[in-house]
Amino acid sequence: NAGVMQNPRHLVRRRGQEARLRCSPMKGHSHVYWYRQLPEEGLKFMVYLQKENIIDESGMPKERFSAEFPKEGPSILRIQQVVRGDSAAYFCASSQLGLLISPGGQFFGPGTRLTVL
Amino acid sequence: GQQLNQSPQSMFIQEGEDVSMNCTSSSIFNTWLWYKQDPGEGPVLLIALYKAGELTSNGRLTAQFGITRKDSFLNISASIPSDVGIYFCAGLTSSGSRLTFGEGTQLTVNP
Repeated sequence: NAGVMQNPRHLVRRRGQEARLRCSPMKGHSHVYWYRQLPEEGLKFMVYLQKENIIDESGMPKERFSAEFPKEGPSILRIQQVVRGDSAAYFCASSQLGLLISPGGQFFGPGTRLTVL
Repeated sequence: GQQLNQSPQSMFIQEGEDVSMNCTSSSIFNTWLWYKQDPGEGPVLLIALYKAGELTSNGRLTAQFGITRKDSFLNISASIPSDVGIYFCAGLTSSGSRLTFGEGTQLTVNP
């Protein structure tokens, strides 16, 4: 069973461009979480999705950021009109059950490192 | 928002030494988790704690869930070079749909 997959692993964008980050959860997992990690900091929650639904987006900036998890295909985190401050590592995690039922059942992908020039 | 204060920020130790790190919070958490992150990778779960006062071991790792539910510690005994990495605590509240992470402890082990 392959783990959580993220691509690309590294992404370079110029200010004003769009960044699309993809996450394929583990097989059988319908819960997806996105986190952002700035250099030398911990992970900060952004959004929690469960197949076609956004459950909690309280950690997501109100503008320029959006996330989706369609019925078919990977989850996408989209950042429009990127700025230098968006440079960070973005991690996706997936779980078979929700965190309240299975807190230790969340598995992380290797991350996408976004650099904005 | 909720915050976890993790200390120390970094540690430099000799191989074979024991290590201890901890996390505290002003908020109550129902679950504490400890993760390890290697360079260029995502965090990997080491230990999960579900009850106040719980003491759990995983090989050379031991972690405890504080009685007040506002703190947790992680001990690593007889450290080895492959213990190098960043260790994160994370907490989940009773209503939580997400994990709150500490700022991490960077561990360096000198052979």
